[in-house]
Amino acid sequence: GENVEQHPSTLSVQEGDSAVIKCTYSDSASNYFPWYKQELGKGPQLIIDIRSNVGEKKDQRIAVTLNKTAKHFSLHITETQPEDSAVYFCAASEGGGADGLTFGKGTHLIIQP
Amino acid sequence: ETGVTQTPRHLVMGMTNKKSLKCEQHLGHNAMYWYKQSAKKPLELMFVYNFKEQTENNSVPSRFSPECPNSSHLFLHLHTLQPEDSALYLCASGTRTGVTGELFFGEGSRLTVL
Repeated sequence: GENVEQHPSTLSVQEGDSAVIKCTYSDSASNYFPWYKQELGKGPQLIIDIRSNVGEKKDQRIAVTLNKTAKHFSLHITETQPEDSAVYFCAASEGGGADGLTFGKGTHLIIQP
Repeated sequence: ETGVTQTPRHLVMGMTNKKSLKCEQHLGHNAMYWYKQSAKKPLELMFVYNFKEQTENNSVPSRFSPECPNSSHLFLHLHTLQPEDSALYLCASGTRTGVTGELFFGEGSRLTVL
């Protein structure tokens, strides 16, 4: 089955700086890679996703890049703000739909004022 | 507000108790999921229901018993749990097929087993 590794487990950055979270996956058949953000006391919420026919996707201050050859994908957050503090999860799955997602262990992002 | 509501938000129970967690979604999704979230671990998929039919049971111990009476409601019945079952239990809904693979999560039920 799929195995998703996520690094780092904790990331502390100064407000205004950029943050990068990296994930690797094992199953070359995986073709869907979402990122979820979980704020304290809430459930995870999708913030951006990418499919394997695209190398990069951007939405305002967040972007995701995918390297299919190396089987890794990354989340980039620019101009970080206090509200970006949360736990971020990457995931991977084969095929469409909400089934079959394998999640990473999560990264606790701390934005220092 | 994600459209997925879980109750109770917090539950403390002894190992001999029987309790239930409830999840409700009005997003028109055809699939509902139970996930277990423990510290320092990935989200663990427990059960998947599609149009009220269980389509996946991820080797979950029988002390966890799911029930899906209709496409909008999902329950997790708990009995004779162990302390290691203490965790955040997340319900989610989504569409099993289609363009989007987005899961919509509830805020979770924090379970403590004494």
